[in-house]
Amino acid sequence: GAGVSQSPSNKVTEKGKDVELRCDPISGHTALYWYRQSLGQGLEFLIYFQGNSAPDKSGLPSDRFSAERTGGSVSTLTIQRTQQEDSAVYLCASSLGGLRDFSYEQYFGPGTRLTVT
Amino acid sequence: AQKVTQAQTEISVVEKEDVTLDCVYETRDTTYYLFWYKQPPSGELVFLIRRNSFDEQNEISGRYSWNFQKSTSSFNFTITASQVVDSAVYFCALILTGTASKLTFGTGTRLQVTL
Repeated sequence: GAGVSQSPSNKVTEKGKDVELRCDPISGHTALYWYRQSLGQGLEFLIYFQGNSAPDKSGLPSDRFSAERTGGSVSTLTIQRTQQEDSAVYLCASSLGGLRDFSYEQYFGPGTRLTVT
Repeated sequence: AQKVTQAQTEISVVEKEDVTLDCVYETRDTTYYLFWYKQPPSGELVFLIRRNSFDEQNEISGRYSWNFQKSTSSFNFTITASQVVDSAVYFCALILTGTASKLTFGTGTRLQVTL
């Protein structure tokens, strides 16, 4: 079946502009995660959605970052007033989640490469 | 808080050599999972293996093998008879089963296999 998809694959934006990154998880997966991969910082957790529960936003680096998940499926990560340090690859992952999930395996999308000029 | 350390930043080997990638983790929790992911030049993270904290049996899958030792908090990954296609960045990661939220990743080891 289809894996996790993300769009766009690449995004170049000017400093100060807002950007939206989209993630389509694997059908039937209730858990969705956003990570950021940047030089010098490795892979860092941003936010986690599980079903209808309140999201775990503990990894969001500032209030310029927000994310939502509509209808328990597609998620959008929004970065407002982008800064050059926001340049990174943003990875989305999904997992089965909930009480059915005994593997905790997360399936990753191809990522969105964001460049802020 | 949990932590994963991959001390080897970059390793270069010649094809057919064996190579071991080290992973050391820290957590106060007793139930967790450990993972290895491969990130080839294309960028997508590929799942390789998952190990439960209660299962210390070593595992072999083809040319890949994993050695999990709770006594030293290590989960090392060995590639036997390396091939050029093994060239990638390899990440070790940990997730707590109680929270089942974020993966905590190591900083990755870049493996370069040359002819």
